[in-house]
Amino acid sequence: EAGVAQSPRYKIIEKRQSVAFWCNPISGHATLYWYQQILGQGPKLLIQFQNNGVVDDSQLPKDRFSAERLKGVDSTLKIQPAKLEDSAVYLCASSLVGGGSPLHFGNGTRLTVT
Amino acid sequence: GQNIDQPTEMTATEGAIVQINCTYQTSGFNGLFWYQQHAGEAPTFLSYNVLDGLEEKGRFSSFLSRSKGYSYLLLKELQMKDSASYLCAVRDETGANNLFFGTGTRLTVIP
Repeated sequence: EAGVAQSPRYKIIEKRQSVAFWCNPISGHATLYWYQQILGQGPKLLIQFQNNGVVDDSQLPKDRFSAERLKGVDSTLKIQPAKLEDSAVYLCASSLVGGGSPLHFGNGTRLTVT
Repeated sequence: GQNIDQPTEMTATEGAIVQINCTYQTSGFNGLFWYQQHAGEAPTFLSYNVLDGLEEKGRFSSFLSRSKGYSYLLLKELQMKDSASYLCAVRDETGANNLFFGTGTRLTVIP
């Protein structure tokens, strides 16, 4: 089966600019996550969707981050305006519904904010 | 909330066995996952434990003790390609049943 697709692979922007990341999950996976991974740390959850609804966005910095999953398939994550501390890899993951279902990750977007 | 602890770094010799420990505290435990992450790549799923005991999958095994809030990942017959970060992640059924990750253990396999 095709894996989780993300684009772009790399992005360099200046602080205060905006940026958007795109994710296409594995077909049939109702649950979609966005994680932020800073170098040397584990992934930190930003938001979880189930189909086209937000299940949990309690850890999303909503003053600058937004995400949507229109039609319950593809998702976009946006940062506006970006800060230096947003430099990280942004990972999208999808899974089937169910506690034992593992998350399948995309290759991520490496964001550098200068 | 969740608290997940793992050693930051470990080194082991090719062909040897290594055990990577993980301790956790969580409000509503609903399963523990181990992931492997090579530098610059996405995490890939290794194992899942929800009941106490040992799960074996080839050269990799994972153990869980829910009463102790403890898990370990055991890697046998180490190969150079096993050099990677190993992430312990706990699913918390409180709220949205999310998966929370530890900081990862960077394993270096030496000849």
